Amino acid sequence: DAGITQSPRHKVTETGTPVTLRCHQTENHRYMYWYRQDPGHGLRLIHYSYGVKDTDKGEVSDGYSVSRSKTEDFLLTLESATSSQTSVYFCAISEAATDTQYFGPGTRLTVL
Amino acid sequence: EDKVVQSPLSLVVHEGDTVTLNCSYEVTNFRSLLWYKQEKKAPTFLFMLTSSGIEKKSGRLSSILDKKELFSILNITATQTGDSAIYLCASSFYGGATNKLIFGTGTLLAVQP
Repeated sequence: DAGITQSPRHKVTETGTPVTLRCHQTENHRYMYWYRQDPGHGLRLIHYSYGVKDTDKGEVSDGYSVSRSKTEDFLLTLESATSSQTSVYFCAISEAATDTQYFGPGTRLTVL
Repeated sequence: EDKVVQSPLSLVVHEGDTVTLNCSYEVTNFRSLLWYKQEKKAPTFLFMLTSSGIEKKSGRLSSILDKKELFSILNITATQTGDSAIYLCASSFYGGATNKLIFGTGTLLAVQP
């Protein structure tokens, strides 16, 4: 398995609170991605990073922000969580832009 | 609009059966087609296909891509209960600073003893 960890693995929070999810990799890969997975929608890209401090939006970026201050960590922040952000969040990494993406174990987030 | 469609949505078979999972795509700036297996955790990589007509194999699993007809199939022979999972198809396309993936909703495969 690729060296990817996500924390926390499970979180329950209330509407309106800020939430930060962390993705940590030990592979020194340049590219990192955040996805959410929902029934009927499959996996959808939220944000991605192509280097330290270099990030861009994905398909479903509204309500989310990201930061990458060092190669190994990619943070996803929900500034003010809403119930529609209840989902399973996966981080992925790839060594090059054209390479296969490998996924972390996921974080199950419930917003009440 | 770019999209990836998988069929069937779900499938129940018995051990020893052979199954074929389908994936069609309509993606601008297509790069490759990927298959993942997802059990109750993270998707795990199976295959990446970039060229038409070249079969990729790994044990009892094989996959092929048809870039003219815009589809791929994943075959599993002699199925086992451990093959029960959601199989995800994704199309990679050039999307700015990196290749992006667009996923289908998956095929849920249940293999009964």
